[in-house]
Amino acid sequence: SYELTQPLSVSVALGQTARITCGGNNIGSKNVHWYQQKPGQAPVLVIYRDSNRPSGIPERFSGSNSGNTATLTISRAQAGDEADYYCQVWDSSTEVVFGGGTKLTVL
Amino acid sequence: QVQLQESGPGLVKPSGTLSLTCAVSGGSISSSNWWSWVRQPPGKGLEWIGEIYHSGSTNYNPSLKSRVTISVDKSKNQFSLKLSSVTAADTAVYYCARILVPAARVYYFDYWGQGTLVTVSS
Repeated sequence: SYELTQPLSVSVALGQTARITCGGNNIGSKNVHWYQQKPGQAPVLVIYRDSNRPSGIPERFSGSNSGNTATLTISRAQAGDEADYYCQVWDSSTEVVFGGGTKLTVL
Repeated sequence: QVQLQESGPGLVKPSGTLSLTCAVSGGSISSSNWWSWVRQPPGKGLEWIGEIYHSGSTNYNPSLKSRVTISVDKSKNQFSLKLSSVTAADTAVYYCARILVPAARVYYFDYWGQGTLVTVSS
């Protein structure tokens, strides 16, 4: 079965750039999507198809995907960006796969 | 704006069956989308349970397949989840969500319900 690996936690200083990675075997050949989940709330799609932002998501959120790593980048990090972030792909063997999630802390 | 709302018992006894319904508003369940259930145990990550199309076609997580049934009621614009033989490990927040599949192998969730906590306990 296909697996996605995320760091448990990432810290970033206020106003700096945070990068959250999602590792998987040849993940660059897949379409990666990212969700933001704040405590007590449902996940919210922030990036789809590697690098596309849904309507209403700030331009500070961007994504890339190549080789064995996909990356969610949050520029000019704000206190309101503190949340758990999950990557997700579709795989022919296991259907929907989520990464384990990364807790972003803004210092 | 599509909205989804989960409903169902918040407490289920061990070995019983968990039953939840997701009401869809602001859009038709008969649109060209799949509809899904995702769960999240307390303090843990997201787990896909399965999905259904308005035609009744379903796909399930292999790890849960033997215990899961997802059905659709087009007349009520809703879909449902049944999970049998539950244990404490099935305690989780259960979300319903809409799936977009705009192209082959492109599959993601664009609308989510608020989630409902189901506790398995005697």
